[in-house]
Amino acid sequence: GQNIDQPTEMTATEGAIVQINCTYQTSGFNGLFWYQQHAGEAPTFLSYNVLDGLEEKGRFSSFLSRSKGYSYLLLKELQMKDSASYLCAVIDSNYQLIWGAGTKLIIKP
Amino acid sequence: DVKVTQSSRYLVKRTGEKVFLECVQDMDHENMFWYRQDPGLGLRLIYFSYDVKMKEKGDIPEGYSVSREKKERFSLILESASTNQTSMYLCASSPRQGVTDEQFFGPGTRLTVL
Repeated sequence: GQNIDQPTEMTATEGAIVQINCTYQTSGFNGLFWYQQHAGEAPTFLSYNVLDGLEEKGRFSSFLSRSKGYSYLLLKELQMKDSASYLCAVIDSNYQLIWGAGTKLIIKP
Repeated sequence: DVKVTQSSRYLVKRTGEKVFLECVQDMDHENMFWYRQDPGLGLRLIYFSYDVKMKEKGDIPEGYSVSREKKERFSLILESASTNQTSMYLCASSPRQGVTDEQFFGPGTRLTVL
């Protein structure tokens, strides 16, 4: 079966750095998305990785290793507004999008 | 900015009622999607549409139908609502056919079926 694993919940401190991991077992791979979803709101796009390596976008970076079936989202200089759920989604060989259950990130002052 | 709107933020219906959830996008996107989101589960695709009058089943189409008569509008229909359809329903759109473009989501409709 197809599976995406993310930690259910993480806690971090304002100003710190946090890494949210996503591991996947899918039939093939054609790309990986990260979305942010604040409580009660719509998911919004953060990043898309299709090649191995690190993509940096301001305070947020996303890393992909296709050989390991692994990605992470790195958030630097954490702010209270970064408290949200972070969703990982993988495109499989049939170009279907498989979603993880999301990681709820709690930021403490 | 792309805007995706959904007809209701909150909806309460009774078992057996017919329920319509509407979604409108204003950026001429080809693709539109309906998902449901439940605690502890990833987004699950109900139906999607890549063109007017075209529809494809997603992972959990049972108990649902859809309609896309105009490019900007994608409706989800629960023919006879049941309590296990209580959920958050999210509509999304993306510019081109396929899933490699980012999706733009509406604010969601929280449906409660009593």
